[in-house]
Amino acid sequence: RKEVEQDPGPFNVPEGATVAFNCTYSNSASQSFFWYRQDCRKEPKLLMSVYSSGNEDGRFTAQLNRASQYISLLIRDSKLSDSATYLCVVKSYNTNAGKSTFGDGTTLTVKP
Amino acid sequence: GAGVSQSPSNKVTEKGKDVELRCDPISGHTALYWYRQRLGQGLEFLIYFQGNSAPDKSGLPSDRFSAERTGESVSTLTIQRTQQEDSAVYLCASSLLGERAHSPLHFGNGTRLTVT
Repeated sequence: RKEVEQDPGPFNVPEGATVAFNCTYSNSASQSFFWYRQDCRKEPKLLMSVYSSGNEDGRFTAQLNRASQYISLLIRDSKLSDSATYLCVVKSYNTNAGKSTFGDGTTLTVKP
Repeated sequence: GAGVSQSPSNKVTEKGKDVELRCDPISGHTALYWYRQRLGQGLEFLIYFQGNSAPDKSGLPSDRFSAERTGESVSTLTIQRTQQEDSAVYLCASSLLGERAHSPLHFGNGTRLTVT
């Protein structure tokens, strides 16, 4: 089982739709969580951090559920420019091994 | 300010040759990471530096791969005797603090390596 798992999709939605992605993680000691977006043939870019109380940035809402060990990303009023692959990232502090673990990504296509 | 800079942006090499990839992190960032991404696949962790030391090299796929960092700044990833399966985009990232902190990674544009 992978440490971080995402539904690969693809999610195909019309403009204006609301779409949500989940990401599950296996290490209960995980402490920091992020969402990145990656456009085709580009590097990943930070979309937002995920805080325990949940947080919102414009049309994007991120939530954390520690009990069930998942994070979510909600996109409201989807735009064509939201088409990308969304990666969740989990950082764990219970070992000396230092790496941020990336999910394989969920692909979103927003259509006119 | 300047972001993470990687060079070259593209590299085509013949099987069996050595290649060296360079990463200049954001100034002041203490942590530096190398990832590999094959076409259509997710990010594969290679190595992590905190300062000039590498507490985690667990992702280096073989002894043909090595990396170093000097002056708590520039890092080079060296691949010896390249193989076709080494073809991928090599991404470097830096963060202000290391793994034991809520500090996001910032990526460079990557080096696209093609081994013919």
